[in-house]
Formats: sequence, C-alpha cells, structure tokens
Amino acid sequence: DIQMTQSPSSLSASVGDRVTITCRASQTISSSLNWYQLRPGKAPKLLIYAASILQTGVPSRFSGSGSGTDFTLSISSLQPEDFATYYCQQSYSTPWTFGQGTKVEIK
Amino acid sequence: QVQLVQSGAEVKKPGASVKVSCKVSGYTLTELSMHWVRQAPGKGLEWMGGFDPEDGETIYAQKFQGRVTMTEDTSTDTAYMELSSLRSEDTAVYYCATLRSRVVGDYFDPWGQGTLVTVSS
Repeated sequence: DIQMTQSPSSLSASVGDRVTITCRASQTISSSLNWYQLRPGKAPKLLIYAASILQTGVPSRFSGSGSGTDFTLSISSLQPEDFATYYCQQSYSTPWTFGQGTKVEIK
Repeated sequence: QVQLVQSGAEVKKPGASVKVSCKVSGYTLTELSMHWVRQAPGKGLEWMGGFDPEDGETIYAQKFQGRVTMTEDTSTDTAYMELSSLRSEDTAVYYCATLRSRVVGDYFDPWGQGTLVTVSS
C-alpha cells in the first residue's frame, strides 16, 4: 500500500495568512494526488485533483503543486471558512490511501 | 449535479451488523462508481471499498474483506454498505463518495453527509 504522510499535523494561523501543507507519498505517484477539506458536520469537499487542478467552484486562493512523491496545498489568504482539516489522497493505485490530515486552527 | 443523502445515525452492540444507505439524486446509480470511506474519532480517512468500473466488480480494502458488503439497488438509486461483526473500533462516521475517473486521474466527488455508527455495549 502507498503511505501518505502529511505535515504539519496541525497549525495555527490568522485570517489573511498564507498557509502551506505538504504531503509525501511512500513511492512515486506521478500527479495522482487529490486534496479534500473536512469541516465538522459537513460533507468532505474536493479542492484539488491531479495535484494542481482546482475543482470547479473552489476559490482561487487554493492551489496545489507537486509531482512524484512531494506535493503541497497552499491557501494564499486564509479566510474564516478555511479553518478545517485538510487531507491528501493518492489515486495512483488501490487501495486508495489518505494522509493523516492537517488541522488548520485559528491563532 | 449528483447529490448523495445518507441514512441516519446508528447505535449497535458489538457483534451486530449495520447497514448504511446512500441515496443518489441528479444521476442514476448505474452512471456512477460508488465508494465508502470512514473516519474514526480522532483518526484520518480510510477507504473501505467501492465499484471498479474497469472490472465491473466491487473491490474491498483488505482490512475489511469478509466483513463488508457493498450493494446497489438500481431501482431506487440507493447504495448500501453493510459491516458485520462490529467491534468498538468500528465506531466512526461512514461516508459514501462518488469516484470520478478522468484522463488526468481519479478523485472522490461528491461525498455524502456522513453517517455516525456507534458500537457500544
């Protein structure tokens, strides 16, 4: 199975800050990497797929980059609704696996 | 636009089974590849299995093999996930999610709202 490792596991930031989350795969996964946002009581939301493609309707302050084994999710200017937990997921091969999550909290 | 609506919370005793439903609207179930993902308290997301459109079969994560059954009722566009021999570690929120297969890659979108399953004696 491909192991996905995110860092940090949590971070504190203020509204307007730039935030970067990293995700590392245990083997090369090309660009087969997706990012999701989870907020309590809400359905998980796809943000980025294929490492860098912004899902329709997702604000442009979200961006993704990387290929191979190292990936990043960036939020250019954190908004109140962005305080949530973010997960990466590899879609290179089954079993599909997720990172352990990064919780973005209000400073 | 696909919408997924899941059944309500369940409380089960250890050793029992639970069956969670996921009603599709906006599309027919036969047009979709439905999968199930769970999140235990304080833990990350864990893929359980789903329909593989390439093989036309349902595939399960090895961890759940023999204990999980995923079925579909195409007459009502409802997908089901049944987990048996429940133990306390199965306490989790269970999500259905549609797997989209594109040239650039696969991804889960959209997701259901989640169903909390609590296993407690």
